[in-house]
Amino acid sequence: AQTVTQSQPEMSVQEAETVTLSCTYDTSESNYYLFWYKQPPSRQMILVIRQEAYKQQNATENRFSVNFQKAAKSFSLKISDSQLGDTAMYFCALRSGGSNYKLTFGKGTLLTVNP
Amino acid sequence: GAVVSQHPSRVICKSGTSVKIECRSLDFQATTMFWYRQFPKQSLMLMATSNEGSKATYEQGVEKDKFLINHASLTLSTLTVTSAHPEDSSFYICSTYGTNTEAFFGQGTRLTVV
Repeated sequence: AQTVTQSQPEMSVQEAETVTLSCTYDTSESNYYLFWYKQPPSRQMILVIRQEAYKQQNATENRFSVNFQKAAKSFSLKISDSQLGDTAMYFCALRSGGSNYKLTFGKGTLLTVNP
Repeated sequence: GAVVSQHPSRVICKSGTSVKIECRSLDFQATTMFWYRQFPKQSLMLMATSNEGSKATYEQGVEKDKFLINHASLTLSTLTVTSAHPEDSSFYICSTYGTNTEAFFGQGTRLTVV
């Protein structure tokens, strides 16, 4: 079975600063995908960033980047220059690489960006 | 980009009645639809997976007779909460995939059973 663990239920950061959200996972598959989703107060799920396990290079999307440590099964999200609009629940998720598109979510980290 | 339209966004119903939630894929075919339930300040819990033209697969502990899922076409999947009770009050979200590995989520439905 696949598991995703987010050990930080809540975090806060000052506007313009950098924050890192932690995620560890477990899977027996060699091919898989990792995602960070953002869920703002509207509760619409928004994809922040994704990482294919076979790619060694860490994914980046503007202010968002990941530190993917495959051997350690760690997938942390770094948010640079935090903005008030980054306030949201962040979920780490794992999907196997086969035809089963089922996502396994972590419990989430509530991030608050303070002015 | 691809969009999943979920309706209604909010619904209040009386205990004992049934409620239908619809998810439509716009501009693409959704062969598979995932239905999640989310309690306040908690993660998404997968309830069931539906495939167009076949019976849904339910996760352990989910009552298939209470949560009826129909996926009759490639663009529409529905979740019907039958004989709803207050404990069924929750946030329900559908999700599917487009042509790549990215999941697309509906806007969610807040169900309140009174």
